[in-house]
Amino acid sequence: EIVMTQSPATLSLSPGQRAALSCRASQSIGSNLAWYQQRPGQSPRLLIYGASIRATGIPARFSGSGSETEFTLTISILQSEDFAVYYCQHYDNWRLTFGGGTKVEIK
Amino acid sequence: EERLVESGGLVVQPGGSLRISCDASGFTFDDHAMHWVRQAPGKGLEWVALITWDGTGTYFADSVRGRFTISRDNSKSSLFLHMDTLRSADTALYYCARDRYSTTWGAFDLWGQGTMVTVSS
Repeated sequence: EIVMTQSPATLSLSPGQRAALSCRASQSIGSNLAWYQQRPGQSPRLLIYGASIRATGIPARFSGSGSETEFTLTISILQSEDFAVYYCQHYDNWRLTFGGGTKVEIK
Repeated sequence: EERLVESGGLVVQPGGSLRISCDASGFTFDDHAMHWVRQAPGKGLEWVALITWDGTGTYFADSVRGRFTISRDNSKSSLFLHMDTLRSADTALYYCARDRYSTTWGAFDLWGQGTMVTVSS
């Protein structure tokens, strides 16, 4: 099973700041990586797939980068609605796994 | 509007069985593989099971293999998860999620609101 490790567990930032979230895979997964946002009390929402492709309707302030084992989700200018938990997920094989999540909270 | 609506979540005793459902609307159901993903209270996301568009391929997380079965009825745009020998560790909000692909697996581009399964005596 591929283990996905996200860091940091919590990121405390102010609106308007830039956020960089890290996700590491225990083995190479190419670009088979997705990022999801989960706001409190809501279902997850797909942000990024293919490591860097924004899903339909996702604002341009969200960007994904990386390949193989190291990936980053960047939120260029944090808006109030961006404070949430973010999960990465690999789909390199059928044993799909998620990272533990990064909570982006208001400082 | 594309929607997934789960139902059937209940309080079940340990060792019991339960079937939960997911009804899809607003898109061509059999164009997509489908998944179940769960989230224990206050915890992260855990992938549970996958079924290909035609139901010929099914895959399960190690934690549920041999106890859970995933199926679909394309004529009714419905997805099911049958759970046997339930344990307290299965207590979670169960989400139905749509895959971007039909015959393989990828990112989940549509999620339901979830149905709560509680295993407790």
